[in-house]
Order: sequence, then structure tokens, then C-alpha cells
Amino acid sequence: DADVTQTPRNRITKTGKRIMLECSQTKGHDRMYWYRQDPGLGLRLIYYSFDVKDINKGEISDGYSVSRQAQAKFSLSLESAIPNQTALYFCATSDYTQGVGELFFGEGSRLTVL
Amino acid sequence: AQKITQTQPGMFVQEKEAVTLDCTYDTSDQSYGLFWYKQPSSGEMIFLIYQGSYDEQNATEGRYSLNFQKARKSANLVISASQLGDSAMYFCAMREFSGTYKYIFGTGTRLKVLA
Repeated sequence: DADVTQTPRNRITKTGKRIMLECSQTKGHDRMYWYRQDPGLGLRLIYYSFDVKDINKGEISDGYSVSRQAQAKFSLSLESAIPNQTALYFCATSDYTQGVGELFFGEGSRLTVL
Repeated sequence: AQKITQTQPGMFVQEKEAVTLDCTYDTSDQSYGLFWYKQPSSGEMIFLIYQGSYDEQNATEGRYSLNFQKARKSANLVISASQLGDSAMYFCAMREFSGTYKYIFGTGTRLKVLA
């Protein structure tokens, strides 16, 4: 099983719908991140969390919210989806005290908003 | 503010040849880390190599090496003896050690290895 699991892997929805992308990890890392990937724009940080009580906005947090339900779970919500939120979304974790502190990524959630 | 710049949207390389993917960065921090990730067409993100700002030697991992020029703020990835399986998107990323511990990514370079 993957250490960082994202659900759903693919989702098609309509404008205005509420969508939740879920992320769970078994790596025991405190730090969790949500990124979106768009062609030509790379990965952009939406939100990040260093523990269940610490949540921070990234570069592009407008239109998104997050919830850190537990150390292992970090969910991303789109309250009212719009077409330009169509993207590939990645959850990632890190622990800078282990290895070189690289990010460990989930397999990605492809979201299409019609 | 942190910034990563990858100026090569796409690159071609002949199989078995070496290729350099460019990455420049901007930070006011003295302590930071630089990462390269590979994203094959299947979509997963694969960590390749890391360079710390205080590391005196360039990092190497198998066929991957990082040409780190601190004064120029560049951290280019060198892939030696390219293989068809190296065809992928490559991302450069940076994390500052002070403050927020955010990881910032560049826009990526798509590498195509030609047989």
C-alpha cells in the first residue's frame, strides 16, 4: 500500500458543487501539504500544515479550505468548484529530521470541473 | 521571497548522451535545500536528488548529479547516459530551513529521450 494515499484519484464534477479531496499517510510525518499542478505552471502550494493545530495558506489558497483531522489525515475542500480549478492535485508529507527532508507525494487526484 | 526558475519548457536528448536541465533559484536565506523530482507520464512524483546549501560537494545519485553553483544561485540537474525511461517531466524545488519550511517548485522541464 502507498504511504500517502489520496482519494478520489479521479473526479468529474459540475460548477458550484462542493468537492473534498482526502489524503491519509502512514509515514508518521507531521508536515502535510496540498499542491495543484497545471500545465506550464508547475506545482503551486495551496495549503500546508505542520500539525493538527497549525494550518497555513500557500500561494493560491483562494477558493480552497483544508482540515487536518488527525496527524495522518489532511483534506482539501473546494466549497463551490469552478472550471479553472480543473487540475491535478497532490498531497505530500515531509519530515525534515529524516533523510534529507524530501517531500513524499500521493499518487495525485485529477479533478475536472465542468 | 523564494522563487525557482526553470527556463527550458522542453528538451530533447539522444539516448546514451548526457543532458543538463537548468534551475536557478532566489532566496534571501543562507540555509536551504534544493531538490529534483521526476514525473513520468504515469503522473507520480519521484524524488531524485538533494543538495544542501552548505554542502561543499555536488550531490550525485547514480546517473544523476547536481551542478551546484551557489554564487550564481543555480542547481542544474545532469543526467548521464540518458535512457528512454528518462523521458519525463522534471521539477526543481527549494525549501528554506528557517521560517515556514515551505517547498516551492519551478514550472518544470519536459525531457524527451530519442532512440
